[in-house]
Amino acid sequence: DADVTQTPRNRITKTGKRIMLECSQTKGHDRMYWYRQDPGLGLRLIYYSFDVKDINKGEISDGYSVSRQAQAKFSLSLESAIPNQTALYFCATSGQGGTGELFFGEGSRLTVL
Amino acid sequence: GENVEQHPSTLSVQEGDSAVIKCTYSDSASNYFPWYKQELGKGPQLIIDIRSNVGEKKDQRIAVTLNKTAKHFSLHITETQPEDSAVYFCASDSWGKLQFGAGTQVVVTP
Repeated sequence: DADVTQTPRNRITKTGKRIMLECSQTKGHDRMYWYRQDPGLGLRLIYYSFDVKDINKGEISDGYSVSRQAQAKFSLSLESAIPNQTALYFCATSGQGGTGELFFGEGSRLTVL
Repeated sequence: GENVEQHPSTLSVQEGDSAVIKCTYSDSASNYFPWYKQELGKGPQLIIDIRSNVGEKKDQRIAVTLNKTAKHFSLHITETQPEDSAVYFCASDSWGKLQFGAGTQVVVTP
């Protein structure tokens, strides 16, 4: 089984719909992240959490919200999806104690029509 | 905030040749510089990293060099093989978070 699991892997939705992307990890890490990948723009940080009670905005948080339900679970929500949120979304985790290796899930491809 | 620029955006190399990808960063306080490889349909995976107290690090066919004065670092892949075809991302740390470059699509042709 994967260490970082994202669901759904693919989703097509319509403008204005609410969407939730879920992430769970079995690595026991405290730090979790949501990134967005667009061609030519690399990976951009949406939100991150350093422990269960900690939520921080990244560089592109507008239009998104997150919930850290437990150490192992971190979900990303789009309250009212718009077409320019069509992208590949990645959840990642890292261990506590400074910058270290990020472990990524396999991605959730979201298409907003 | 931190800005990481990565070049080239695409790189086609003949199998057996070397590939070099270059990145520059803006935050002089950055101390950690990882490289990630993303294969088709998968999430990025760390392949090598370097911290600011060293200038070069090597792991088999891949190596990374760092010039802190000039604020740039590079990934070198020698004797490229078809399985090296992927997207490569450089990154630098900024306040405990990674800032990624835009990525380089590497294609190794037989």
